[in-house]
Amino acid sequence: ELKVEQNPLFLSMQEGKNYTIYCNYSTTSDRLYWYRQDPGKSLESLFVLLSNGAVKQEGRLMASLDTKARLSTLHITAAVHDLSATYFCAVVLNDMRFGAGTRLTVKP
Amino acid sequence: EAGVTQSPTHLIKTRGQQATLRCSPISGHTSVYWYQQALGLGLQFLLWYDEGEERNRGNFPPRFSGRQFPNYSSELNVNALELEDSALYLCASRGQPNTEAFFGQGTRLTVV
Repeated sequence: ELKVEQNPLFLSMQEGKNYTIYCNYSTTSDRLYWYRQDPGKSLESLFVLLSNGAVKQEGRLMASLDTKARLSTLHITAAVHDLSATYFCAVVLNDMRFGAGTRLTVKP
Repeated sequence: EAGVTQSPTHLIKTRGQQATLRCSPISGHTSVYWYQQALGLGLQFLLWYDEGEERNRGNFPPRFSGRQFPNYSSELNVNALELEDSALYLCASRGQPNTEAFFGQGTRLTVV
């Protein structure tokens, strides 16, 4: 069965700092999604990564996919408070399985 | 264009009762996924429907069941409700295989 592991699970950052969230998965797949969830809300799609070496960027967030290493990263550049949320990666094989999520808090 | 809609928004049931949750996908989307998200936790995969068929189910007991209708809307049924079934139930729909899935706002089920 497909296993998806995210780390760290909790991340407290200072504004202006950089950090990376990692998503490892156990079975070959070339489709991976990143989502954001604000407290009490549903999930918002951030990135769709469809091939080895795919890189997508939106504002201060950049996601990449290495299918050979079965690894995706979500890099945060110069964090701001508005990025505080929980971030999930989801791997698509026969269905869509999520990591446990990374709860990000950005402090002034 | 309307997004994924779920109903009801909130549902309160007594232990032992049955709950029915509904999901209307985005127009043209044929795949529907159901997830359970307990408070403060991640998304646990429940069911996947595509083209009217159940394609896969997660590690949940048989009292969690569902179906997909010809118009691709979907229903999740939870029988013999237990206190630990209290959670946010999220539905997502997807069109083409290489596109992202969009989520509804969820149904907050509380079992008392």
